[in-house]
Amino acid sequence: DAKTTQPTSMDCAEGRAANLPCNHSTISGNEYVYWYRQIHSQGPQYIIHGLKNNETNEMASLIITEDRKSSTLILPHATLRDTAVYYCIAGHSGGGADGLTFGKGTHLIIQP
Amino acid sequence: DTAVSQTPKYLVTQMGNDKSIKCEQNLGHDTMYWYKQDSKKFLKIMFSYNNKELIINETVPNRFSPKSPDKAHLNLHINSLELGDSAVYFCASSHPSGFNEQFFGPGTRLTVL
Repeated sequence: DAKTTQPTSMDCAEGRAANLPCNHSTISGNEYVYWYRQIHSQGPQYIIHGLKNNETNEMASLIITEDRKSSTLILPHATLRDTAVYYCIAGHSGGGADGLTFGKGTHLIIQP
Repeated sequence: DTAVSQTPKYLVTQMGNDKSIKCEQNLGHDTMYWYKQDSKKFLKIMFSYNNKELIINETVPNRFSPKSPDKAHLNLHINSLELGDSAVYFCASSHPSGFNEQFFGPGTRLTVL
């Protein structure tokens, strides 16, 4: 799996959009970009994934650059419950029962 | 209606003991995983099973033996526990087709004294 690079930590004010960047310059053509988050003392939680196109679901939006070397996860209206470690992962689809390769992630702190 | 459950949530034991952690998923998934999160919070894949068959074994000591009695269960047995085994162990499951959305359990915090 391609390596990803994320800032160690970020702050965001409650109610504002949180934009979390991720670099994955060595991503291969068939690797997806996945985002998971881990709230303190809980198991990781899937947020969103994408291959080339921008994606949106009820939790977040994912913007992938045209060259696919970086992406941004957007939480449109951050709440205190969004405080967590966010992991950007480059990996294949799940058909091969692949494990996820977690990096250090970004510790997002939502300030009241 | 918990999707992925693990028991116990906490496990404190002495070095040299043998212990098991149980995992069950009610999502109808065919694939299950064990991950280890160490004290530095790094989360690493240990094993994956698909339809009760071992797919991934990531250089885990053979003191760790996963067992899948059926598709809904993947248990982790650990022999001769060592101090370095202290960690949080997460079970996860996913559907094998399509993308890699994995559902994680709440974790089991193992402390070896």
